[in-house]
Amino acid sequence: GAVVSQHPSRVICKSGTSVKIECRSLDFQATTMFWYRQFPKQSLMLMATSNEGSKATYEQGVEKDKFLINHASLTLSTLTVTSAHPEDSSFYICSAESGLRTFTDTQYFGPGTRLTVL
Amino acid sequence: GQQVMQIPQYQHVQEGEDFTTYCNSSTTLSNIQWYKQRPGGHPVFLIQLVKSGEVKKQKRLTFQFGEAKKNSSLHITATQTTDVGTYFCAGGAGTASKLTFGTGTRLQVTL
Repeated sequence: GAVVSQHPSRVICKSGTSVKIECRSLDFQATTMFWYRQFPKQSLMLMATSNEGSKATYEQGVEKDKFLINHASLTLSTLTVTSAHPEDSSFYICSAESGLRTFTDTQYFGPGTRLTVL
Repeated sequence: GQQVMQIPQYQHVQEGEDFTTYCNSSTTLSNIQWYKQRPGGHPVFLIQLVKSGEVKKQKRLTFQFGEAKKNSSLHITATQTTDVGTYFCAGGAGTASKLTFGTGTRLQVTL
């Protein structure tokens, strides 16, 4: 089946530093990847939609200059949390779809990255 | 914007009892998907429903999509401890593949 990986799985950083999270589709090409954030005991909130070769589309309220998304290839998208602060501590999850770009396409989720900002 | 609510927020059952979670969208959906997330894990895709009134079964799990395509339900028959986790519905609108996740129902099953 379709596998999506994320790296790193956990990261602890100091306030003010930047953190890069990678999302890879291992056995399929993903024209679209999604980035979600999940706070403890809450639902997944979509942050942005990442399309290969074009600018990401951010959801309302998500700062695009703070959460930089790059989708340079059909198998890799990166999320960089710039100048991280403790309130950015969360579980960041990516998902990828296989490229049909229709609503019947399934999203495959990565294992998530737990970010802790001290 | 689109909102997707689930009830109950939490349910604790004894093994063998049935469980149902309900999902309601503020807008008409093109499709509804269901995911299960174990504690500390990531969402795992369970099923997708597309047609109005559609019912699908997976062993002890029964999924239903409402006639108006604004609500859905997941019913588990004779729960087992392996069913523990949070169940999320996620709705899609139009032809876009973007999903709005529901608030989730956390299921606890004890012996």
